[in-house]
Amino acid sequence: NAGVTQTPKFQVLKTGQSMTLQCAQDMNHEYMSWYRQDPGMGLRLIHYSVGAGITDQGEVPNGYNVSRSTTEDFPLRLLSAAPSQTSVYFCASRAGGRDGNEKLFFGSGTQLSVL
Amino acid sequence: AQSVTQPDIHITVSEGASLELRCNYSYGATPYLFWYVQSPGQGLQLLLKYFSGDTLVQGIKGFEAEFKRSQSSFNLRKPSVHWSDAAEYFCAVGASGTYKYIFGTGTRLKVLA
Repeated sequence: NAGVTQTPKFQVLKTGQSMTLQCAQDMNHEYMSWYRQDPGMGLRLIHYSVGAGITDQGEVPNGYNVSRSTTEDFPLRLLSAAPSQTSVYFCASRAGGRDGNEKLFFGSGTQLSVL
Repeated sequence: AQSVTQPDIHITVSEGASLELRCNYSYGATPYLFWYVQSPGQGLQLLLKYFSGDTLVQGIKGFEAEFKRSQSSFNLRKPSVHWSDAAEYFCAVGASGTYKYIFGTGTRLKVLA
């Protein structure tokens, strides 16, 4: 059971470039989310999805787009990368409905540097 | 405003010593509380969670945490730390009727041999 798989593990971009961070889960979880982790700031929610075709913004959505065409995949798109988007990005999923008592399953992260 | 505070950025303990990591929260609804651990280069893994019932919860790797509603706290404890416990620890809160979780800023634990 692979769990939550993120690719790539590392990426370097130039300012203005675009890219997509991939996230896939094989646990049939309806809920998927993207976080960024910055020193001294913990994890901050970027976007989340509660099922195919349904997405919503988190705490820091600006500069990022998401879509959810399948239950398994939840890609995160950076349309025009900025140095402020240098961070470690985590994808997380969970089972359950509209109830926050279920644990999150995390991918191993993508370390992104924007020069 | 909803928030989670972990007042200790870094903690250093000797192997075999006891450990307590602090977590305070501010949340209007009845909270669900979590502790996650992050080893270097890895994603977060759940240690334990509280959502109802007994306020002392047991988790993996010998960790436990106690929910104290009057103090808005959910401190993590371990009676005897092992060198493999060196990692970063995050407290988080969720709530019924929400899809969002709020994470603390983390506490990095160093274990001295």
